[in-house]
Amino acid sequence: DIVMTQSPDSLAVSLGERATINCKSSQSVFYRPNNKNYLVWYQQKPGQPPKLLISWASTRGSGVPDRFSGSGSGTDFTLTISSLQAEDVAVYYCQQYYTTPLTFGGGTKVEIK
Amino acid sequence: QVHLVDSGGGVVQPGKSLRLSCATSGFTFSSYGMHWVRHAPGKGLEWVAVIWSDGNNKFYADSVRGRFTISRDNTKNMLYLQMNSLSAEDTAVYYCARDFYGGGRDPLFLFDFWGQGTVVTVSS
Repeated sequence: DIVMTQSPDSLAVSLGERATINCKSSQSVFYRPNNKNYLVWYQQKPGQPPKLLISWASTRGSGVPDRFSGSGSGTDFTLTISSLQAEDVAVYYCQQYYTTPLTFGGGTKVEIK
Repeated sequence: QVHLVDSGGGVVQPGKSLRLSCATSGFTFSSYGMHWVRHAPGKGLEWVAVIWSDGNNKFYADSVRGRFTISRDNTKNMLYLQMNSLSAEDTAVYYCARDFYGGGRDPLFLFDFWGQGTVVTVSS
């Protein structure tokens, strides 16, 4: 199974500041024939189901604000919130869909400092 | 709008069975693969099962294979999860989720819409 490791487990960021979350996979999730990374980021707010933020490592989902961006390739990925807003308080998960079983990172809790 | 409404959760004794349902609306259900994903207390998200849009293919996580059965009724826009031989390790919030790919394509195995979740507690 591909193991997804997120860091940090939690972080507190001041409003308007940058938040950076890392996700590392135990093997590459890059598929060379289509030049795509099979990596997705979800946001889960308290009491709500996860929401798709970014697919293919860097493609924002429908309606996702442009302060959210994804980067990385192969085994190392980053989710960046460029200017943290109060509504961004949530747990963020990465997931690989390169192969089954699908696997998720353990989550990163983002709070306001 | 796309809506997924999970139901059927509850408290059940170890070894017993439970059937979850997911009522869908707002999209062409028969064109999408569908999944169940669970979130156990204090643990991470775990994908459980997938069913292709036509219902002809299914795939399960090792932890549930042989005990859980995913099914769908495309005439009723419903998704189901039959859970047998339940144990404490199956205690979780269960979410139904729509696959990203529609149009009858093979599932991509990421989820663009989720239900609100239904809580399953396995306890004596």
